[in-house]
Amino acid sequence: DAGVIQSPRHEVTEMGQEVTLRCKPISGHNSLFWYRQTMMRGLELLIYFNNNVPIDDSGMPEDRFSAKMPNASFSTLKIQPSEPRDSAVYFCASSSFPGQGASNYGYTFGSGTRLTVV
Amino acid sequence: RKEVEQDPGPFNVPEGATVAFNCTYSNSASQSFFWYRQDCRKEPKLLMSVYSSGNEDGRFTAQLNRASQYISLLIRDSKLSDSATYLCVVNLLGAGNNRKLIWGLGTSLAVNP
Repeated sequence: DAGVIQSPRHEVTEMGQEVTLRCKPISGHNSLFWYRQTMMRGLELLIYFNNNVPIDDSGMPEDRFSAKMPNASFSTLKIQPSEPRDSAVYFCASSSFPGQGASNYGYTFGSGTRLTVV
Repeated sequence: RKEVEQDPGPFNVPEGATVAFNCTYSNSASQSFFWYRQDCRKEPKLLMSVYSSGNEDGRFTAQLNRASQYISLLIRDSKLSDSATYLCVVNLLGAGNNRKLIWGLGTSLAVNP
């Protein structure tokens, strides 16, 4: 299995532009998570999906952020408009167990997208 | 107070040394605990779960003290390849039976030749 695949690996964009991050979870995993990591705040859960349905989006910072999962093999995280404070590494993870804490088995991170907004 | 706190380090130790990291958590409803390892510019990867009775995996030993609400990780005979950031993770059962992972900021370890 190729693991969780994220694209792009790096993104540099100007403030105000729309940014779309993509994630392909591991085949058969039914939970998908979007995290953001910064030096100051560490890893923060933004949103997670079970069976393509958003379950908890309380971590989404504001309306500029949106996430979709149109099918079991694809998810996007969109920021519109982007701001310099959105600069961070964004990780996608998938799991074969429902809910973000049900089990730690099969909880696999992608390599992340390093976003820089200038 | 942060929900999960770790000493950020860095810990600089020579090869072969024994090093220990502690992590404290604030919510007594926390149910399960993990240590993750994150290499520079890479994704976090599960190192080991932490069980109430303590558990060992090769050179790594994890312990949990529920009364004092802290978790520890001991690395014996450290190797150069152990250099990484070690993240403490707590699984918390919250409102509506919703489980939530809370991540520490990590402790940086550098093992020197």
